[in-house]
Amino acid sequence: EAQVTQNPRYLITVTGKKLTVTCSQNMNHEYMSWYRQDPGLGLRQIYYSMNVEVTDKGDVPEGYKVSRKEKRNFPLILESPSPNQTSLYFCASSFSASWNTEAFFGQGTRLTVV
Amino acid sequence: GESVGLHLPTLSVQEGDNSIINCAYSNSASDYFIWYKQESGKGPQFIIDIRSNMDKRQGQRVTVLLNKTVKHLSLQIAATQPGDSAVYFCAEKGGVGGSYIPTFGRGTSLIVHP
Repeated sequence: EAQVTQNPRYLITVTGKKLTVTCSQNMNHEYMSWYRQDPGLGLRQIYYSMNVEVTDKGDVPEGYKVSRKEKRNFPLILESPSPNQTSLYFCASSFSASWNTEAFFGQGTRLTVV
Repeated sequence: GESVGLHLPTLSVQEGDNSIINCAYSNSASDYFIWYKQESGKGPQFIIDIRSNMDKRQGQRVTVLLNKTVKHLSLQIAATQPGDSAVYFCAEKGGVGGSYIPTFGRGTSLIVHP
């Protein structure tokens, strides 16, 4: 089954404790991205990757890191999480970054930083 | 869990009615538009797309209308069912001078009453 898989689905952590949210897709997609979703603000892009070893900042990259060492994986790293990073996070992938392709989303990771 | 529908415009309809969800997009250079549906606790799912060289596209029970003159997009759902209850997002992409990174609207919460 074609899918985008995020782990964990739920995470509660403390301020300053490094964490990684994993994302994997099995569709051989080139383009992957991370979003955060907050009430009233919709989906905001954190980082995206056009292909392996190519990443770039989205609209709200502060406090996040990503890597794209393999085509299928695109982990999101929070080196020192803070309470304002409490949010619902989605990983998405698409065949390419070209204009006529829709994104496939993971199920989401609900992160709480206390 | 916390609803992503908080603070969003809400459309309430009766089962069997037709629903119309509207979206104003921002970039006149965008030439690809997508509607996503997000059910509670899940990631957004692709519903239907439309390119800027079209003004109407139909799917199964859904129709998307595009008015480039006023930068307006609408999603029509025929014979709305309780399973259609969700948050609906529009996204825009592409075009000369536009971005291949999708920009998402804030979303509209559709509530279908049996």
